[in-house]
Amino acid sequence: AAGVIQSPRHLIKEKRETATLKCYPIPRHDTVYWYQQGPGQDPQFLISFYEKMQSDKGSIPDRFSAQQFSDYHSELNMSSLELGDSALYFCASRGTGDTGELFFGEGSRLTVL
Amino acid sequence: QKEVEQNSGPLSVPEGAIASLNCTYSDRGSQSFFWYRQYSGKSPELIMFIYSNGDKEDGRFTAQLNKASQYVSLLIRDSQPSDSATYLCAVNRDDMRFGAGTRLTVKP
Repeated sequence: AAGVIQSPRHLIKEKRETATLKCYPIPRHDTVYWYQQGPGQDPQFLISFYEKMQSDKGSIPDRFSAQQFSDYHSELNMSSLELGDSALYFCASRGTGDTGELFFGEGSRLTVL
Repeated sequence: QKEVEQNSGPLSVPEGAIASLNCTYSDRGSQSFFWYRQYSGKSPELIMFIYSNGDKEDGRFTAQLNKASQYVSLLIRDSQPSDSATYLCAVNRDDMRFGAGTRLTVKP
């Protein structure tokens, strides 16, 4: 069965650079969530989208932006990167009417040097 | 107060014992409750979900929900070394919010 696909899996950037992470949800899933997980930390909710519209916003810095496209894939854009942005970024998706379970991608590991 | 709080770890149990993981939540409107297991560097994977008060059993795992007390727990019977991981409690209303996780180690 198709799962949530994230790319790239690993990314190394310098401070003040820009990074873009991509997420392709499970087919027919209309809701996408982004989480940031620092070393030894719990996943922190960043932002979510339902039917291509932002549905909720968590602790996402102003330097970050995200959107969901017509094919339901989502992109997380991070600018003016800081050392503290180094983390594992998870995307998760779920479908309307499902049990509510989130299906996670394998994550994108961002390292800021 | 965090939206979802879990008992502080790490938790260590011997192989074959029962591991008990606890979680409380602040939003009384929360509708569904999930336990995820996360191995280091990997994505969370669903262990169980529960909607109604009471117990729900699935193999060696039992989830317990008490909405009046805003409390949800996970019991792991006959713990195995392969159960060693971080267990995340997640609570859903409009969006899914996670607890900080409890690190479980099962010693052979």
